[in-house]
Amino acid sequence: DVKVTQSSRYLVKRTGEKVFLECVQDMDHENMFWYRQDPGLGLRLIYFSYDVKMKEKGDIPEGYSVSREKKERFSLILESASTNQTSMYLCASSLGLAGTKTQYFGPGTRLLVL
Amino acid sequence: GDSVTQMEGPVTLSEEAFLTINCTYTATGYPSLFWYVQYPGEGLQLLLKATKADDKGSNKGFEATYRKETTSFHLEKGSVQVSDSAVYFCALGVDSGAGSYQLTFGKGTKLSVIP
Repeated sequence: DVKVTQSSRYLVKRTGEKVFLECVQDMDHENMFWYRQDPGLGLRLIYFSYDVKMKEKGDIPEGYSVSREKKERFSLILESASTNQTSMYLCASSLGLAGTKTQYFGPGTRLLVL
Repeated sequence: GDSVTQMEGPVTLSEEAFLTINCTYTATGYPSLFWYVQYPGEGLQLLLKATKADDKGSNKGFEATYRKETTSFHLEKGSVQVSDSAVYFCALGVDSGAGSYQLTFGKGTKLSVIP
């Protein structure tokens, strides 16, 4: 079975802290994605990666960075957390270099920044 | 740019009622269309998809038909159950060259089914 795991289900951090969110997939997928989900706004793409060490900005990259050192792992980094980054963060992966491919999602990390 | 508009919720239905969640889209190229479902406390999972005009996707009693003439992909189920309570997302993906690997999502429709 396809599996995408995220390092934490819930996180509480303080303003200004550096935050790492980890995502691992076991399907040998080329593409990996980070979204944030907010009520009334749906899913918004933060960053995606189509290969190791490759990354592309999504719709809302400001305040975030990413790292992909291994094919199976994609990390989202909040360099200096702020309260407006309180959200649900979803990681996803897909096989093949096409926008028509199914994305497989992790369970999400609910982040609260105080 | 590409966009997806789906009916806003929340939608509340009694068990065994008929469900329709409307979804329309605008896209360049020839999109594939998806419905994802998010159960409480979980990530999204694919419910069904259709890759070309007139295709019908179906799964777990849900179905949706890709209508190019009306740019729509409405989700339907004949008889909902309490276990169908979730948030439903319509999405599209387009093959338009390097870097176009993302999906465009609607804002989601929350469905609550009461016994």
